[in-house]
Amino acid sequence: AQTVTQSQPEMSVQEAETVTLSCTYDTSENNYYLFWYKQPPSRQMILVIRQEAYKQQNATENRFSVNFQKAAKSFSLKISDSQLGDTAMYFCAFMKHGGSNYKLTFGKGTLLTVNP
Amino acid sequence: GAVVSQHPSRVICKSGTSVKIECRSLDFQATTMFWYRQFPKKSLMLMATSNEGSKATYEQGVEKDKFLINHASLTLSTLTVTSAHPEDSSFYICSARDRRTRSGSWIENIQYFGAGTRLSVL
Repeated sequence: AQTVTQSQPEMSVQEAETVTLSCTYDTSENNYYLFWYKQPPSRQMILVIRQEAYKQQNATENRFSVNFQKAAKSFSLKISDSQLGDTAMYFCAFMKHGGSNYKLTFGKGTLLTVNP
Repeated sequence: GAVVSQHPSRVICKSGTSVKIECRSLDFQATTMFWYRQFPKKSLMLMATSNEGSKATYEQGVEKDKFLINHASLTLSTLTVTSAHPEDSSFYICSARDRRTRSGSWIENIQYFGAGTRLSVL
């Protein structure tokens, strides 16, 4: 079974600064996907970024980028130029490719607060 | 991204009654949908996987007779909480798996989420 660990229950950052959220995972699979989702106070889960394990290049989406280290099983999220709207719970998630119905395994989440 | 609609957003019911929650994929077909439960300040707990045209697959510890799932079409899955009790009060979230390809690349396999339903059982 896969496990996803987010070791930072809470983090805070000043507006316009950069913050990195950590995520490690444990799997014996070679082909999988990794995701970061954010859940703002509205509780709507929003996909932030996605990475396929077979791709060496780190995914980027505007101010969001990841540092994917496959050998170390690490998948951190960097948020640049933090904005107040980035305040949310962030969940790291793992999906095995070809697994039973492509289920997501979530970490426990990191609550990020962006301060003005 | 794709849109998943979940209804109702909030429901309050009396103990012993049943409540139905709908999850619809609005602009794509979803052969697979998922139902989660989330406790305050906690992560999402997968309850069951809903496959169009077949029986749902429940996670260990989830009562299939209490949480009835129907996935009758490629765009609609429903979760019915039967004989609800106060301990069933929670936030329920659905997601739908988008397996379309884009730009000729590998299947996306992204799950898009509904906005959730807050169930309060009195």
